[in-house]
Amino acid sequence: QVQLVESGGGVVQPGRSLRLSCVASGFIFSEYAMHWVRQAPGKGLEWVAVIWYDGSNKYYLDSVKGRFAISRDNSKNTLFLQMNNLRADDTAVYYCARDVAAGGILRLDQWGQGTLVTVSS
Amino acid sequence: DIQMTQSPSSLSASVGDRVTITCQASQDIINYLNWYQQKPGKAPKLLIYDVSNLEAGVPSRFSGSGFGTDFTFTISSLQPEDIATYYCQHYDIFPITFGQGTRLEI
Repeated sequence: QVQLVESGGGVVQPGRSLRLSCVASGFIFSEYAMHWVRQAPGKGLEWVAVIWYDGSNKYYLDSVKGRFAISRDNSKNTLFLQMNNLRADDTAVYYCARDVAAGGILRLDQWGQGTLVTVSS
Repeated sequence: DIQMTQSPSSLSASVGDRVTITCQASQDIINYLNWYQQKPGKAPKLLIYDVSNLEAGVPSRFSGSGFGTDFTFTISSLQPEDIATYYCQHYDIFPITFGQGTRLEI
């Protein structure tokens, strides 16, 4: 069965960096676009970034452009989110999610369980 | 950015009730709209895609309709396991945005 397992969350001071990982199994990872979506405590869902199946295209939420970088290693079935210059308002549970499309956006049909990032001094 | 406005923000209903949630887009998104269910402490789950298509395994009491800017999500007969927050989401242009959510209580 499809599994997405995030890791790398934790408590970090403002201005520092963190790298999230999402290991995929149960499907051909290299055939799907992948997203990061976050959810601040008690708040709604906020899309963060997407990467095409082959890494050729990446798109970001404006508030994370220049600070976050999405990438993938198809040989290791792993999605990454490098988060630099973190701010308090980046505090959230970060979910990785699979899109049914390879290149493009259609719908997020599989989600991981999430990893919590807390930015605090 | 396209703003997605859900109504109501919260809703209390009884088992067996028909429940309707609306989602309005700030501009025409044709049929590029999905609905998700999120139970407390869990990841979101895709229920309906492209306005009205049921994801595999989703009970038929869930349905969706609409076009352009106005969309509706319906549970025909509310069940106890439907307690969750429901989100609409467009995918017309970047950034993808979600509605603020509708918390459903029994």
